[in-house]
Parts: sequence; C-alpha cells; structure tokens
Amino acid sequence: GDSVTQMEGPVTLSEEAFLTINCTYTATGYPSLFWYVQYPGEGLQLLLKATKADDKGSNKGFEATYRKETTSFHLEKGSVQVSDSAVYFCALSDLYNQAGTALIFGKGTTLSVSS
Amino acid sequence: EPEVTQTPSHQVTQMGQEVILRCVPISNHLYFYWYRQILGQKVEFLVSFYNNEISEKSEIFDDQFSVERPDGSNFTLKIRSTKLEDSAMYFCASRPPDPLYNEQFFGPGTRLTVL
Repeated sequence: GDSVTQMEGPVTLSEEAFLTINCTYTATGYPSLFWYVQYPGEGLQLLLKATKADDKGSNKGFEATYRKETTSFHLEKGSVQVSDSAVYFCALSDLYNQAGTALIFGKGTTLSVSS
Repeated sequence: EPEVTQTPSHQVTQMGQEVILRCVPISNHLYFYWYRQILGQKVEFLVSFYNNEISEKSEIFDDQFSVERPDGSNFTLKIRSTKLEDSAMYFCASRPPDPLYNEQFFGPGTRLTVL
C-alpha cells in the first residue's frame, strides 16, 4: 500500500541555518503531496502542497519540489528561525486510489531551533 | 478565518468506559475525517465520512468505533468500550466540497487518556 518515509529527528539547528527534512513516498496512483506542521500544543496546519510531478510548493520561506523520478518531496528552508521549532509531517493523498481521500502520514520530524 | 474545533481538549476515562469525542468542521465542508496519533508514533487514518455515511475506514476502525453527524454542525467519534491502547491524540479534519481539492483542515486534537 501507499506509504511515506521521512527522516527521523530530532533535528537541532542554530538560527539562520539551512534546513532539509527528507521525505520519500510509495504510491500506486498519482498522489498529491503535503507538508503539515504542528506547533507545540496546536493541531496540524498545512504548510505547503504539490499536486503533480515537478510542482514546487512554497510557504513562509519553506519549499518542497515533487520529484516523481526519485519519489521524493524534501522540505527545505534557507534560514530557519526559532519560531520554526515544531514537528513537521510529510503526507500524501492519492485521489485515484480506491482508498483515495485519506491522508497517509510519515512519522514526523521534530525541529528545534536555538538562537 | 474558519477553523475546525474539537472538544474536549483532554479526556481521561477508565478502561471499559464509553467516550464521545466531538468536532465542529468548517461550515461549508462536506468531507470529514478522524485520525489518531499514539504518542511518539505517526498520525493514522481512522475513518472518512461523506453524505451521512462512512466512505472509507482503516483496519483500526473496528466495531468499538462509530461516527455520527447528529446535526448540521457536529461530527462525533464514539469509542464504546475503551482500552488502554486507545490512549492517543485524536484529530478531526474536514475538506471542502470540490472532490479534486484534497487539502484537509485539522482541528487542535483531543488527547484521550485511558486508565
């Protein structure tokens, strides 16, 4: 079945460092890909998404490119801030799969940014 | 900005008791979901609901679970006889009417603790 694998955390960075969180997926259909973020004590918020190959999602300085050839959707940010400290989840949804509308999540990666 | 709300934020119950977790989805959304996250593990899909019936469910969603939309605004998850392993964060989500718009909006979650 469909699945998402993302790098284990925690990731600890200093402010203004470059961030990469790796995410790869397995899907039988044509998935849309998402990054969700969970700040302490809050629910899941959509950070960015991409719906087809070579699409780039971006928001708040974060970017991720849908790479079908490597089945990846790595999250990047050029200069992290303390306020970016959160748990980041990679997810997919395969509209054309019979189990289509459910989001399938990775395990989450905790990012901690210090000043 | 419209948001998904959930009550209570934290529920403590004894093993074997029934619990009802409540959600108010965004008002014009038509697709509704429950997910759970056991501490330290990935977010897992439980069930989706559309047009007043379950559209898909995972293997986790056994006969102990049920969902209901009792009125035009609430969406509930009932666990009939809770087990220790039901302790988790439960997230409700909803999605807009367009079936090709597969972004889901999440509530802040209910932390269920079964003693």
